[in-house]
Amino acid sequence: AQSVAQPEDQVNVAEGNPLTVKCTYSVSGNPYLFWYVQYPNRGLQFLLKYITGDNLVKGSYGFEAEFNKSQTSFHLKKPSALVSDSALYFCAVRDWGRMNYGGSQGNLIFGKGTKLSVKP
Amino acid sequence: KAGVTQTPRYLIKTRGQQVTLSCSPISGHRSVSWYQQTPGQGLQFLFEYFSETQRNKGNFPGRFSGRQFSNSRSEMNVSTLELGDSALYLCASSLAGGGLQETQYFGPGTRLLVL
Repeated sequence: AQSVAQPEDQVNVAEGNPLTVKCTYSVSGNPYLFWYVQYPNRGLQFLLKYITGDNLVKGSYGFEAEFNKSQTSFHLKKPSALVSDSALYFCAVRDWGRMNYGGSQGNLIFGKGTKLSVKP
Repeated sequence: KAGVTQTPRYLIKTRGQQVTLSCSPISGHRSVSWYQQTPGQGLQFLFEYFSETQRNKGNFPGRFSGRQFSNSRSEMNVSTLELGDSALYLCASSLAGGGLQETQYFGPGTRLLVL
């Protein structure tokens, strides 16, 4: 079964410093990986995704993620953190097990989320 | 282009009642998925609709149901509400033309409180 793990409940970073939010995955086929961010009392906003190709994926708001197949990881990174980056971050993977009709969207399996706190 | 909209945004119900939540996808999107978010269980998949048909369903009891209309708008219904149904219910839409690599776009959610 597909699964996603976010080993850190919270990450604290000083503004201007680089940040990393960790994610590891377990899938039976090729991984389709996503990062979403959730601000307080808001829905999820798409940041970036890895489908195939370059291992370094660039996304919204200056975020990027590095896909590492050997370590089954998809860590989210940003070179210089902003206070406004403080939010809840979710890693997600598509559930291959629900693939049907030759193109079913299936569902997303989410990690538990990592709260990012950026201090001035 | 307008994003995914959900109504109502907030709802208070009592145990035993039923509730209907609505979701309007991004124009042109044909797939709508529903998720439940709680502090204890995190984000869990409820079901997905495409062309008025339920294509996938998560591990939720039959009290949770949904439907999709010809204009792709979707409704979710929960009957016989329980305290544990208190959650943020998120709707997401996608084009549904390209398979697993497609991005889902989420609405702001409906926060349901069951008393």
